[in-house]
Amino acid sequence: KNEVEQSPQNLTAQEGEFITINCSYSVGISALHWLQQHPGGGIVSLFMLSSGKKKHGRLIATINIQEKHSSLHITASHPRDSAVYICAARQGAQKLVFGQGTRLTINP
Amino acid sequence: KAGVTQTPRYLIKTRGQQVTLSCSPISGHRSVSWYQQTPGQGLQFLFEYFSETQRNKGNFPGRFSGRQFSNSRSEMNVSTLELGDSALYLCASSFDRVITEAFFGQGTRLTVV
Repeated sequence: KNEVEQSPQNLTAQEGEFITINCSYSVGISALHWLQQHPGGGIVSLFMLSSGKKKHGRLIATINIQEKHSSLHITASHPRDSAVYICAARQGAQKLVFGQGTRLTINP
Repeated sequence: KAGVTQTPRYLIKTRGQQVTLSCSPISGHRSVSWYQQTPGQGLQFLFEYFSETQRNKGNFPGRFSGRQFSNSRSEMNVSTLELGDSALYLCASSFDRVITEAFFGQGTRLTVV
């Protein structure tokens, strides 16, 4: 069993839909990161969470430390949100343990 | 402000050869970490460097090594290349040792034939 599990692995939705991607982890963490990877490989850091909830534009990330679970939500989804979303559990200062990623496709 | 720069972007090597990849962090950033991404294993942590010292290493064989220079630029080296080393190698930089926000380079795509 992977230390960081994401679901779903693939998600296809229509423009405007509310999107939720889930991340569960079994390891001790110092923080949880959400990343976005576009075709071609470039990775962008979206959020770092150690507790509670963060919001940036249409993106919202939450974490429940007791349940070892985090969610990434996208409101009013748009085709430009199509990408692979990756959660990563940070152990210590820099070591990141990654989930397998969720491939999101938003159709117009 | 320039982002994280990785060179080269693409590389083709033959089994048994060695390769050196370079990562220049954002100016002022002192930490560099390296990751390997393959279709089968996904993203995996390779090493982290801070102040020219390797602080942590992932579960990779000794063929994988790295270093960090006084200007924070980092290199990783893979010796005796195997077909399974074909991957996208990503580095990330952060200002301090603890990653609060990681800035990733575009990666080096290594193909071993």
